[in-house]
Amino acid sequence: SQTIHQWPATLVQPVGSPLSLECTVEGTSNPNLYWYRQAAGRGLQLLFYSVGIGQISSEVPQNLSASRPQDRQFILSSKKLLLSDSGFYLCAWSAGNYGYTFGSGTRLTVV
Amino acid sequence: AQKVTQAQTEISVVEKEDVTLDCVYETRDTTYYLFWYKQPPSGELVFLIRRNSFDEQNEISGRYSWNFQKSTSSFNFTITASQVVDSAVYFCALSEPHPLDQAGTALIFGKGTTLSVSS
Repeated sequence: SQTIHQWPATLVQPVGSPLSLECTVEGTSNPNLYWYRQAAGRGLQLLFYSVGIGQISSEVPQNLSASRPQDRQFILSSKKLLLSDSGFYLCAWSAGNYGYTFGSGTRLTVV
Repeated sequence: AQKVTQAQTEISVVEKEDVTLDCVYETRDTTYYLFWYKQPPSGELVFLIRRNSFDEQNEISGRYSWNFQKSTSSFNFTITASQVVDSAVYFCALSEPHPLDQAGTALIFGKGTTLSVSS
């Protein structure tokens, strides 16, 4: 069966520090991968999506970047965090039939 | 461009009341998929339903029902006899086929409706 793992679950980082959130998928190959962010009390904003290794589309210009070094690994990064980067980050995958599966999320607080 | 509008930001009801969450979408494609997700306080997204643009039949699943009307570009969600456990944020979302990829484009979400059910 397919599973998606996202970690860490919670993270508190100081302003200006780097960030690395990781997401891995098991049980499928060549999935589409996505990063979403949900700011406090707001909706889900698509940040990045990837249709293959090294293929990243950015939806919103910002302080974040994404990479896909392996088929089932998707990483969200920042060199220097801002207060506005705080939020709930969700990774998701899809592979045919328009089914989307979400990870359990990472709650990031920048202080 | 794709857009999903959930005009109701917050709804409060008392247990056993029926409640309808509205969703209006915009797309230029004739083929697309619509979704509803539930986000409880823990944060994870729980899939509720997926409907393709060619299937306008209404669907009922227990206390949940969905009304899809292409003429008004709406995909509304009704909870009958609401319960406290229904308290959550509910998201409507839209996906369109990608010309080169069967898996479709990314989901575009509405801003969500926070439903509070009190006992």
